[in-house]
Amino acid sequence: GAVVSQHPSRVICKSGTSVKIECRSLDFQATTMFWYRQFPKQSLMLMATSNEGSKATYEQGVEKDKFLINHASLTLSTLTVTSAHPEDSSFYICSAVTGGNTIYFGEGSWLTVV
Amino acid sequence: GENVEQHPSTLSVQEGDSAVIKCTYSDSASNYFPWYKQELGKRPQLIIDIRSNVGEKKDQRIAVTLNKTAKHFSLHITETQPEDSAVYFCAASYGFGNEKLTFGTGTRLTIIP
Repeated sequence: GAVVSQHPSRVICKSGTSVKIECRSLDFQATTMFWYRQFPKQSLMLMATSNEGSKATYEQGVEKDKFLINHASLTLSTLTVTSAHPEDSSFYICSAVTGGNTIYFGEGSWLTVV
Repeated sequence: GENVEQHPSTLSVQEGDSAVIKCTYSDSASNYFPWYKQELGKRPQLIIDIRSNVGEKKDQRIAVTLNKTAKHFSLHITETQPEDSAVYFCAASYGFGNEKLTFGTGTRLTIIP
């Protein structure tokens, strides 16, 4: 079946630095990917829709200058958390959609900002 | 935008009994309703889904029902087993090329041996 891979699975960064998370569709092309954030014991909240070759669409309340999304190819979307702070510590997870409209999630990335 | 409410937030069930989790959605344009099971720190795992042109769907011990008029859908797990213990999320989306999901708040299901 289709596979979506995220990297890194865990990352620790210092406050004020930036960190990049990659989301790859390994065996299918995805013109659209989605980025979610999940705080401990909470639900998944959509952050943005990543569109190949165009600007991402951000959900209300998500700072586009802080969470930079780049979808430069049909198999890769990246989320960069800029000037990270401890409150950005969370589980970040992407999803990609196949041509048959099936949704696949990446494994998720744990971000800890210290 | 879409808003999905989920109840209950926690549910404890004796092994072998049935569990029911309910969700309501606000946007009548939503037409795809998946249910996910999530282990701690893992990706959500799709367990069953239903599209708006269907009222009920069943897969072995798991079933989902959809009432479009009332805008609510439910997950039914029969003959529960200890391995069913997890957090379950319902979700809604417009589907058909716009698969951004709005998730419910989650239900922590505990199966008591």
